Amino acid sequence: KAGVTQTPRYLIKTRGQQVTLSCSPISGHRSVSWYQQTPGQGLQFLFEYFSETQRNKGNFPGRFSGRQFSNSRSEMNVSTLELGDSALYLCASSLAGITDTQYFGPGTRLTVL
Amino acid sequence: QQPVQSPQAVILREGEDAVINCSSSKALYSVHWYRQKHGEAPVFLMILLKGGEQKGHEKISASFNEKKQQSSLYLTASQLSYSGTYFCGTEIRDNYGQNFVFGPGTRLSVLP
Repeated sequence: KAGVTQTPRYLIKTRGQQVTLSCSPISGHRSVSWYQQTPGQGLQFLFEYFSETQRNKGNFPGRFSGRQFSNSRSEMNVSTLELGDSALYLCASSLAGITDTQYFGPGTRLTVL
Repeated sequence: QQPVQSPQAVILREGEDAVINCSSSKALYSVHWYRQKHGEAPVFLMILLKGGEQKGHEKISASFNEKKQQSSLYLTASQLSYSGTYFCGTEIRDNYGQNFVFGPGTRLSVLP
């Protein structure tokens, strides 16, 4: 069974731009969660999508948004990028949601200049 | 509302045991444990749910004290492959609904 895949793996953007990251879950998984990991703040939960609906949301500003498609693939968008958005963005898929076993993808390393 | 993990770092020799603790000021609905090696994604180890249900690997054990909002991960007879950063993830409820908050991590190094 293929694991969670994320594209692109690396990305460099400048302040003010927007970016879209993609996550393909394990086949059969309907939940996709997104996390931001930085050396200073550690791992932080962004939001969770289940069957195309945002079900849970962390404490991030509205510049961070996401969506999920009918095939469970998910995208995360960050608008008006700030230097502090530089981070490793991880997505995880699971059968039932954030209370179930989560399988993480390799992450997208975003650098904002 | 980030849980506290202790110790921050620990160094072991192969075969030694370790305990990693995670405590929260918030009521916990579940606790998850993950291990992350440098440059890799976190890997699931264990989930502990309210009511005592556990899901995880056979060689990993953990406890969850719901009243004290604490969890401990027990690593016995450590192997070199146990090295990495261990995170606890805590399920809480806040103004946004169901939220998931990770601890800062405990760095474990196992030496031969």
